[in-house]
Parts: sequence; structure tokens; C-alpha cells
Amino acid sequence: AQSVSQHNHHVILSEAASLELGCNYSYGGTVNLFWYVQYPGQHLQLLLKYFSGDPLVKGIKGFEAEFIKSKFSFNLRKPSVQWSDTAEYFCAVNGGQTGANNLFFGTGTRLTVIP
Amino acid sequence: GAVVSQHPSWVICKSGTSVKIECRSLDFQATTMFWYRQFPKQSLMLMATSNEGSKATYEQGVEKDKFLINHASLTLSTLTVTSAHPEDSSFYICSAGGLAGVVSTGELFFGEGSRLTVL
Repeated sequence: AQSVSQHNHHVILSEAASLELGCNYSYGGTVNLFWYVQYPGQHLQLLLKYFSGDPLVKGIKGFEAEFIKSKFSFNLRKPSVQWSDTAEYFCAVNGGQTGANNLFFGTGTRLTVIP
Repeated sequence: GAVVSQHPSWVICKSGTSVKIECRSLDFQATTMFWYRQFPKQSLMLMATSNEGSKATYEQGVEKDKFLINHASLTLSTLTVTSAHPEDSSFYICSAGGLAGVVSTGELFFGEGSRLTVL
């Protein structure tokens, strides 16, 4: 069965600090990988996604993630966080088939950015 | 991007009553919709997958008679929590994918969520 692990439950950073949130998945086949963000009081929004090609994926708002197949990882990074990045971040994976599929979510990482 | 809307965004009900939550895709046709449940400080747990015009597929451990799902059209799916109890209190989130006429790459679009509190 697929599973997604996010090891950081709560991360607190000051503005301008660099961010890296860990995500590891367990699935032997081809996968699609996602990072979603949930701002306070809002619905989940897609930050970025990886399907194939360049393992370094650029997303919205300056976020990027790197797919490292050998490590089953898809860590999210941002060089300099802002107060507005305070949110819950979810890593998700599905089985790599085209079409709408079940997404398996990690437990989420709460990011608090201190002004 | 595609917009998914849920209604109501929050509901309080008495134990034993039934509650219906609607999930609508506003600007696209969703052949598949998913219903998730999110407990405080936990991840989203998939409850069921509904395909337009057919019966929903429930995940293991989810009571199909308690959580009734109907996907009667390409833009609307409903989740009815029957005979609700306090332990059913949770945040329910729907998502939609499988854009009709467009090759989907597995991306899902999420509703705002509906918070259910059963007294």
C-alpha cells in the first residue's frame, strides 16, 4: 500500500529564512507527486506537481521541489520564506496513471513564519 | 484553474439527524469526485470515490450505509451523513478530477471543506 511520510509536524521560521520540508513515499511503481498548501481558513491549493522529466519542479510563489527517485523523496524548498507562507503543507502521491486517481496524503506540516 | 465549491461550509446538528453536504464543480465537468475526512492535526483520509452515474467505491472501514454518496451529474456530488453521532464530527472535503474532454494528469481540485459538529 502507498504511504506518504512528512517528518516535520510543525516548523517555525523567521522571515527570510530558508525552508525545506521533507516528504518520503513508499511505492515501487511510477508515481505522480504533489505538494498542496492550505492557508488558514482556505481550501487546499496545488503548489506544484511532478509527473516526469526534470526532477526539479518549480511551483507558484517561489516554491520548488526535487524528486529523488533513489530516496523516494520529494522535498519542498523555498530560499526565503515570507509571513504569508504561514500555512499547512501537504505532500501527496498517486499511482502514476493518467486520469483522476486516489491521492494519498501525508499528515501535513504546519509552517509558522514569524515576521 | 478549476473551481470546486462545497456547501454548507459548516453545520451543527443534533445526534440522530442526517446531514447533506454538496460538492459542485463550478466551471468544469467532473467525472470523478472524491470525499475526504480530516481529523484535527491529521491528514486527509480518503472515504470514497464517486463516479458520475454509478455507485461510489468506499475505502476500507468506511460505512457505506452511514455515508451515502450520490453523483447524479457531472457537476454535483453529495455526501449524506445519516443518523449522525458526535464521533462523526469532522471536516469533510471533496475534490474533483477527471476533466471531461481534457486529458487529466491526476491533478485534483479541492472544495473549501465542510465542518460538521454533531451535538
